[in-house]
Amino acid sequence: AQSVTQLGSHVSVSEGALVLLRCNYSSSVPPYLFWYVQYPNQGLQLLLKYTSAATLVKGINGFEAEFKKSETSFHLTKPSAHMSDAAEYFCAVRRYFGNEKLTFGTGTRLTIIP
Amino acid sequence: NAGVTQTPKFQVLKTGQSMTLQCAQDMNHNSMYWYRQDPGMGLRLIYYSASEGTTDKGEVPNGYNVSRLNKREFSLRLESAAPSQTSVYFCASSDFDGTLTEAFFGQGTRLTVV
Repeated sequence: AQSVTQLGSHVSVSEGALVLLRCNYSSSVPPYLFWYVQYPNQGLQLLLKYTSAATLVKGINGFEAEFKKSETSFHLTKPSAHMSDAAEYFCAVRRYFGNEKLTFGTGTRLTIIP
Repeated sequence: NAGVTQTPKFQVLKTGQSMTLQCAQDMNHNSMYWYRQDPGMGLRLIYYSASEGTTDKGEVPNGYNVSRLNKREFSLRLESAAPSQTSVYFCASSDFDGTLTEAFFGQGTRLTVV
């Protein structure tokens, strides 16, 4: 079985500061990993995904994430936070093989301080 | 460019009433999912359908039934609603065909059971 753990249910950063949202995964087989973003009263939108092609993955809106197998981590970063980044962020995992379902973390709510 | 469409967007039910949440996708995906989102718990899988004609239980299936009507449509039924089923429900679709595509989400149905 696979799972993800998101450390920190709430994160606050100042506008212009580094954003770091943490995600650790557990999987018995090579995983696919995803970060989704949810703006208030909306559905989930894909930010980026890891598919084993490259360990550093760039996504939309200036976000990126690095897959570190030795640390079983897939942390999300952005060099400079913008007010529009305020949202809830979800890490998700699925198995590499087969038609498997996505398993989500509990989410991290990001607040940007002006 | 509809993607995944859910109806209704909002619903209030009395305890014991029944209702069906509708979901349709126009991306020709094989897999469809129903999740519920509750504060602090992320998204939890209720049921999923890996292909037309098949359905499987997810993490929290009790109190729900599903029907994969055809490749496009996947409905979720609450036979006797309970206050514990107050939640935001998301339908998603995907097609993990080796090259991998992410899951696409609808805008959600906000359900309140009183």
